[in-house]
Formats: sequence, C-alpha cells, structure tokens
Amino acid sequence: DAKTTQPPSMDCAEGRAANLPCNHSTISGNEYVYWYRQIHSQGPQYIIHGLKNNETNEMASLIITEDRKSSTLILPHATLRDTAVYYCIVRVAPPTLDGNQFYFGTGTSLTVIP
Amino acid sequence: EAGVTQFPSHSVIEKGQTVTLRCDPISGHDNLYWYRRVMGKEIKFLLHFVKESKQDESGMPNNRFLAERTGGTYSTLKVQPAELEDSGVYFCASSYRVNEQFFGPGTRLTVL
Repeated sequence: DAKTTQPPSMDCAEGRAANLPCNHSTISGNEYVYWYRQIHSQGPQYIIHGLKNNETNEMASLIITEDRKSSTLILPHATLRDTAVYYCIVRVAPPTLDGNQFYFGTGTSLTVIP
Repeated sequence: EAGVTQFPSHSVIEKGQTVTLRCDPISGHDNLYWYRRVMGKEIKFLLHFVKESKQDESGMPNNRFLAERTGGTYSTLKVQPAELEDSGVYFCASSYRVNEQFFGPGTRLTVL
C-alpha cells in the first residue's frame, strides 16, 4: 500500500510557488519518487519522477532530500488550473514482480487562490 | 498524438446487469493497466496487461470482473453481474516504458 505521507490540503496564491511536501521515511534504495495529479473529474496526470537527484521539467521541480526520506514538489508559478489533488508515490524501479502498479494514497488537495 | 480513450464516459445500470468498459491505449503502448476509485476511497490498481497477456491481476476484486485484451490493442473490462459496491470511476492507463503511465479520463459507473 501507499508508503507516503502528505498533508491533506494546502492553499497557494496564484502566481506564487506551490511547495508540496511528501514524507517517505521507509523508502528503499531502489525506489523512485513519482508525482501525479488529478484535476477534478479527469484521469491522473504524470508530473515528474526521480530517484535521488533533483529533477526539473516543464511542469515542476522535484527536490529530494539527501537521505531520500522526504521530497518536495514545486510548481514555480501556480495558476488556477493547477488546482488538483497531488499524489506522491514511491515505487520500485520496474520491472518488478508486482506488475508495476502505482499505489495512490490520499494525496494533497491543492487549491490555488486568485 | 491521441491519448488514452475510454468508453463510455458514464454508465448507469441496475444491480445484476452486465456492463463492459472499453479502453483504447496510446498506439504502440504494450503496457495497459486498469485502476478504479470507488466512492470515498483511494485509486486502486486492478490489473496490468503486457500486450495480450495478464502480467498482474492481483487487484481484481472478485470473479465478477473479467478483463481481456485480445490482440494486444484495446482492452475491455466486464462486470457481471454488477453489484452496488462496484460503483465508482474506472481508469485505464497505458505506457511504453513502465515509468510513466498515461491515464484516460475514466468511466464513471453507477450501479443502482
């Protein structure tokens, strides 16, 4: 099951950076950190993933602590369209015996405020 | 490039009836997954196809659920007979590499 802990909800002002924390204190050395989000009534959307180095793409940045026990997803300039539930997921690098499924927890409901 | 598509978007059936959900993955994606979210619960994995073979079906709740992927292209998920607790949103995802899974918009199933 889900091995991460996230705050249930957060607010962020439009145009400001949204920093979403995630604790994964039991992460193993071969487990990646993934972030997905689900905008209301849509399917989950991949955002970013990483192993131990910080990662950045056109959507977000992922900062992973040196001990890998926590990470932060950063949306640099939040817009109203970023309002969604954000899921932090840890998963062993595939291929695996468990079929490469993602375990979605309860996530963080981010509300971007005008 | 077209994304993952699912049909129908909504389905309302009565308890005891049969419903078949369809998923068309992104072209070229060998991996296809089914997930579902029942009311108030988390998104849960159901099963994983690699081409036409079931790689992992550990999440299938019971034998009322049957998934197929003949020919390794689209997949169907049949629920027969449907029960009230099957109501929820059924998501399909596909991937070429297993790191990124691209999700469809989901099928909202309501069993009355």
